[in-house]
Amino acid sequence: GAGVSQSPSNKVTEKGKDVELRCDPISGHTALYWYRQSLGQGLEFLIYFQGNSAPDKSGLPSDRFSAERTGGSVSTLTIQRTQQEDSAVYLCASSYRAVFGEKLFFGSGTQLSVL
Amino acid sequence: DQQVKQNSPSLSVQEGRISILNCDYTNSMFDYFLWYKKYPAEGPTFLISISSIKDKNEDGRFTVFLNKSAKHLSLHIVPSQPGDSAVYFCAGQDGNQFYFGTGTSLTVIP
Repeated sequence: GAGVSQSPSNKVTEKGKDVELRCDPISGHTALYWYRQSLGQGLEFLIYFQGNSAPDKSGLPSDRFSAERTGGSVSTLTIQRTQQEDSAVYLCASSYRAVFGEKLFFGSGTQLSVL
Repeated sequence: DQQVKQNSPSLSVQEGRISILNCDYTNSMFDYFLWYKKYPAEGPTFLISISSIKDKNEDGRFTVFLNKSAKHLSLHIVPSQPGDSAVYFCAGQDGNQFYFGTGTSLTVIP
């Protein structure tokens, strides 16, 4: 597709359940980022993938969060045993390469609501 | 700790007037600064950027000013149009990392 695609656009789950969020970046983009935006907050960095390098997981808030990127393309963010504080918009972004001044292209996000 | 701060959560401006959105940062290692615009239910879209070695970059109605000594940047939109109503995020880039502010919601009143 022409842009970054995220699915689902909305997800409502019960506390304690696991969820998977999917991101399909722009074809050819080697860098992929996950951010989340909680109500009234800025974009919080979660994880970054660059090509075949080991991902930068320094932003993951707990070990309940994990992400993988298969074949250097599609990425899945998994949240295990969801908590109410996980409710947020999860945004995926990609760029051709993560160099200075390289802009990010964002998907529309997944609105996660944990009841 | 917030490395990029946008202290004004909202701003209202009359159509045709200038909109000035402000951003402060603490990380002197930022190489680039970027502004993104976000409409409801959409992801942020890139608007304009500036290298840390510049003090001004202009693109049509949008101009970004960087004051490194004050660790401050601003986005000027002139003339403002109703379609500019959105949330604006500033971001600093340090290597592979982007640090975003909390956003300023701009409303342009027709």
